[in-house]
Amino acid sequence: GQQLNQSPQSMFIQEGEDVSMNCTSSSIFNTWLWYKQDPGEGPVLLIALYKAGELTSNGRLTAQFGITRKDSFLNISASIPSDVGIYFCAGPSGSARQLTFGSGTQLTVLP
Amino acid sequence: EAGVVQSPRYKIIEKKQPVAFWCNPISGHNTLYWYLQNLGQGPELLIRYENEEAVDDSQLPKDRFSAERLKGVDSTLKIQPAELGDSAVYLCASSFGAGSDTQYFGPGTRLTVL
Repeated sequence: GQQLNQSPQSMFIQEGEDVSMNCTSSSIFNTWLWYKQDPGEGPVLLIALYKAGELTSNGRLTAQFGITRKDSFLNISASIPSDVGIYFCAGPSGSARQLTFGSGTQLTVLP
Repeated sequence: EAGVVQSPRYKIIEKKQPVAFWCNPISGHNTLYWYLQNLGQGPELLIRYENEEAVDDSQLPKDRFSAERLKGVDSTLKIQPAELGDSAVYLCASSFGAGSDTQYFGPGTRLTVL
């Protein structure tokens, strides 16, 4: 099946710094989704992207749908402690619209 | 509005024992999903329901796993018998409409098999 490669696998940053993470695929996706998962909770949808080249913001979060439709980026500006968690990219694939998830980026924000 | 509800939140059992997980989706969501999430990985789909019909169960290990959604609302996922390798988080999600890419997840059930 299709695979999504996320990088970096983990990040340690200082509070107030900006963060960037990305997701790539060998196949084209028509939708890119970014989720955040807190410890002991299920993933929560942050941003959905539906069009190549689209740039969408949600507060301090900005995500972009790559022009090639094979990648997406998530940026977090001015990080705060509650940004800690695992960030997953995901996209629907196949006729069944099954969501494929990346392996996640673990973000740690240091005070 | 209540989100996706799952119970129990945690379950510890010995291998070869049966276990069941319950999910109540968001009201009005006719599509329900069960995912398996291993440590350090993203969720992987086990089964998808549209109303009471299982439309995609290709990833469900049918020798020991079963699921049902009898009235098209709540769903139960069962493992019998459980094996050590089944230790993981079992997530339930729901969406409005089969074509919706926006899935809402429950908190998951963390299963530990000893």
